[in-house]
Amino acid sequence: ETGVTQSPTHLIKTRGQQVTLRCSSQSGHNTVSWYQQALGQGPQFIFQYYREEENGRGNFPPRFSGLQFPNYSSELNVNALELDDSALYLCASSLGRRSTDTQYFGPGTRLTVL
Amino acid sequence: RKEVEQDPGPFNVPEGATVAFNCTYSNSASQSFFWYRQDCRKEPKLLMSVYSSGNEDGRFTAQLNRASQYISLLIRDSKLSDSATYLCVVNIGNAGNMLTFGGGTRLMVKP
Repeated sequence: ETGVTQSPTHLIKTRGQQVTLRCSSQSGHNTVSWYQQALGQGPQFIFQYYREEENGRGNFPPRFSGLQFPNYSSELNVNALELDDSALYLCASSLGRRSTDTQYFGPGTRLTVL
Repeated sequence: RKEVEQDPGPFNVPEGATVAFNCTYSNSASQSFFWYRQDCRKEPKLLMSVYSSGNEDGRFTAQLNRASQYISLLIRDSKLSDSATYLCVVNIGNAGNMLTFGGGTRLMVKP
């Protein structure tokens, strides 16, 4: 296993609610990236945190926000949930933010929005 | 046009067959290239990085053609356990170390 953990594993919410997903990075890794994977598609980059600062963002609206803590664990927050937010949310940790730093994925949180 | 394009498949092959997957990417500034494997309802796992000179790992061979912006993966002597979705992944190397994934190619190896 990669040593990257995520919680919860599954979550059901209704439209308009808010959700917080959590990720613990692999020991020694200071960079966490978040991805959204809709059914039948490849993962899409949401944002990345490096040493507690946002280090890049994909094409997601501001209602997707995040945090990284001093121990390098991370949270993804989504406000005003929409039906299309239903997806598998993956976090990946890496040693650093270089393009050659391999990203190791956690098992994901499956979010269903009703 | 998608940034990373793959044939979604499925590729249905018998055990022992050789199968090849192709992928094209649109950003010529892309710096790093990977193949990830994803089993049903699981997370993606790195299968191998792809280098310009081509590289091999056991039954798996990856090739990169920067001029044509094309990546390939060859699997020889397919096993039942190779059944999965194979994701072609590109890293442009800009701020964010963002991985851009193709939609995946589904492989089913049959006895």
